[in-house]
Amino acid sequence: DAGITQSPRHKVTETGTPVTLRCHQTENHRYMYWYRQDPGHGLRLIHYSYGVKDTDKGEVSDGYSVSRSKTEDFLLTLESATSSQTSVYFCAIKGNTEAFFGQGTRLTVV
Amino acid sequence: KQEVTQIPAALSVPEGENLVLNCSFTDSAIYNLQWFRQDPGKGLTSLLLIQSSQREQTSGRLNASLDKSSGRSTLYIAASQPGDSATYLCAVGDNYGQNFVFGPGTRLSVLP
Repeated sequence: DAGITQSPRHKVTETGTPVTLRCHQTENHRYMYWYRQDPGHGLRLIHYSYGVKDTDKGEVSDGYSVSRSKTEDFLLTLESATSSQTSVYFCAIKGNTEAFFGQGTRLTVV
Repeated sequence: KQEVTQIPAALSVPEGENLVLNCSFTDSAIYNLQWFRQDPGKGLTSLLLIQSSQREQTSGRLNASLDKSSGRSTLYIAASQPGDSATYLCAVGDNYGQNFVFGPGTRLSVLP
């Protein structure tokens, strides 16, 4: 299995609080991605990175920011969590071809 | 904008049957196509990757084909087993090889 770890795996937070999710890889892959998965919407891209300090928005980026200061870490931050951001979040990594996914973080905003 | 669809949305078959899952995409200018399986509450597991220059890939009982000109890929599962029960997703890589778009998935149930 590809070396990709998401933390935390589960989190419950209150509306209005900041939340940071971490994705860590040991594969030295160039590309890293954050997706959210919701019933009826499938997997939707939030943000992605194509190198250290190089990031870009996906289709559902509002309310989210990311940072990549090292090749191995890609952080997703919800500046002020809302109930609509309750979801399962997946990190993915990709080298030249194949993509690999983490096990997901289940986030509940109450 | 690339759109990916998968038919059927759900499928239930008896153990031992051969089956085909379909993936269609609207823009044929793709870099590659990848098939994943997802078990309930779990992450996505890569099954097969087909480059745009390839017609098919095989891994064990799985065979994936790609027809770029018609915007279609199929995943063939031979001699299905209850352990194959999962949701199967296809993801189409854009022409730069940077991003990919997912289909909604096919939920497969293989009955013993």
